[in-house]
Amino acid sequence: NAGVTQTPKFRILKIGQSMTLQCTQDMNHNYMYWYRQDPGMGLKLIYYSVGAGITDKGEVPNGYNVSRSTTEDFPLRLELAAPSQTSVYFCASRLPGVNTEAFFGQGTRLTVV
Amino acid sequence: DAKTTQPNSMESNEEEPVHLPCNHSTISGTDYIHWYRQLPSQGPEYVIHGLTSNVNNRMASLAIAEDRKSSTLILHRATLRDAAVYYCILRLSNAGGTSYGKLTFGQGTILTVHP
Repeated sequence: NAGVTQTPKFRILKIGQSMTLQCTQDMNHNYMYWYRQDPGMGLKLIYYSVGAGITDKGEVPNGYNVSRSTTEDFPLRLELAAPSQTSVYFCASRLPGVNTEAFFGQGTRLTVV
Repeated sequence: DAKTTQPNSMESNEEEPVHLPCNHSTISGTDYIHWYRQLPSQGPEYVIHGLTSNVNNRMASLAIAEDRKSSTLILHRATLRDAAVYYCILRLSNAGGTSYGKLTFGQGTILTVHP
């Protein structure tokens, strides 16, 4: 199994540009998450989804949008990139239940200049 | 949400045991204790979790205090590959709320392993 796959791995954006970070998982997990990690800090939750068609905001949702049309895919959209969005973005997925582990992708390193 | 407190950094020598502490004095009865680690330039990976009893798996052991206000992740023989940031995270059980498995990461403990 590939697990959680994120694309691209690296991206440089200019201020005001938009882009979509792709995330797909092949484990049939209901729950999916987007986190961002700034240098030297822990991960912060941006958005999450508990199933196709259901999304909700996390701790730091401003400047981002998500959609979940299928179980496998959970893209993250940046509409008007700002320098404050320079970060490493991680997608994760898991099955429901207290005894399940989260699986993370390898991350997308985004720089906004 | 109940918070966790971990030392900023710890050091170990290769092939020696490592005990990584975590304080969670405001833990509730429905909080599970989860540990994840993040190797350099990678996403976090699951290590172990428990509720009340000590737990063992192929990666590590988790020792939970009787009052559950602290726990310790034990790496029995550290290797260079264990150098990572280790996160201690509390997860609400589904019966206790609607956390939907969201993980709240602190800054974790940076573990350095010396050859």
